[in-house]
Amino acid sequence: EPEVTQTPSHQVTQMGQEVILRCVPISNHLYFYWYRQILGQKVEFLVSFYNNEISEKSEIFDDQFSVERPDGSNFTLKIRSTKLEDSAMYFCASKWDKEGRPFFGSGTQLSVL
Amino acid sequence: GDSVTQMEGPVTLSEEAFLTINCTYTATGYPSLFWYVQYPGEGLQLLLKATKADDKGSNKGFEATYRKETTSFHLEKGSVQVSDSAVYFCALSDRDTGRRALTFGSGTRLQVQP
Repeated sequence: EPEVTQTPSHQVTQMGQEVILRCVPISNHLYFYWYRQILGQKVEFLVSFYNNEISEKSEIFDDQFSVERPDGSNFTLKIRSTKLEDSAMYFCASKWDKEGRPFFGSGTQLSVL
Repeated sequence: GDSVTQMEGPVTLSEEAFLTINCTYTATGYPSLFWYVQYPGEGLQLLLKATKADDKGSNKGFEATYRKETTSFHLEKGSVQVSDSAVYFCALSDRDTGRRALTFGSGTRLQVQP
C-alpha cells in the first residue's frame, strides 16, 4: 500500500525556536492535511491544503503556523516560535479526491522544552 | 460543532475475548463514520467506515454499524488476538458542512494478553 512519509519521527526544540515538520504525501494525491494529538487528548484537525492554498483551518492554526508545498512533493508545517503547549504528535495526511479516505503518516513527535 | 466521544482506555482483554469499544457522535449534518487503528510506531490506518444509516462496516473481523437513532458507531470483534493490540480512533467527516477534514475521538488503547 502507498505510504505517507513524515520526517523526523521525533524532534526536540527549545521554546521560541522555529521548527519545520516535513511530509511526503502519496504522489498523485491532491488534498493534504495536518492534524495533531497532544498526549492523552483527541486528534485535532489543524489545516487542509488544496491547489496550492489553504482550504480550511481550525482555531488552533494561528499566525504562528504556516504550511507550504515547496516543490510538488513535500508538504511542510512550520511553527514560527514554538511554545510548550505545541508539544504533540503531528500527523500528515493526503488523499486523491475530496470524498476519498485520507492516508496518514506515522507522525512526528514534537517536544518543546 | 461536530464531536466524537469514545470510551476511555486502556481496555485489557484476554485472547479470544469479545471486544466492544463504544463511540457516539454529534454532527451538524449527515456524517460519514470511520474507525482508524494505530499500531505501535505506525500511522493511522483506516480500519472500516460507513457512510449512511444502518450501514455496517467490516474488516479483519471488526464490525461497526451506523446507528443514526442512537448516534453511535460502536466497534466490535468476536475474538480478539494479541496482534489487535493498538489504539483505536473513532472519527467522522461531515459532508453537509462542506468540511472534509476528520473529527476524531480521543482514542482507546486495547491491550490483548495471551
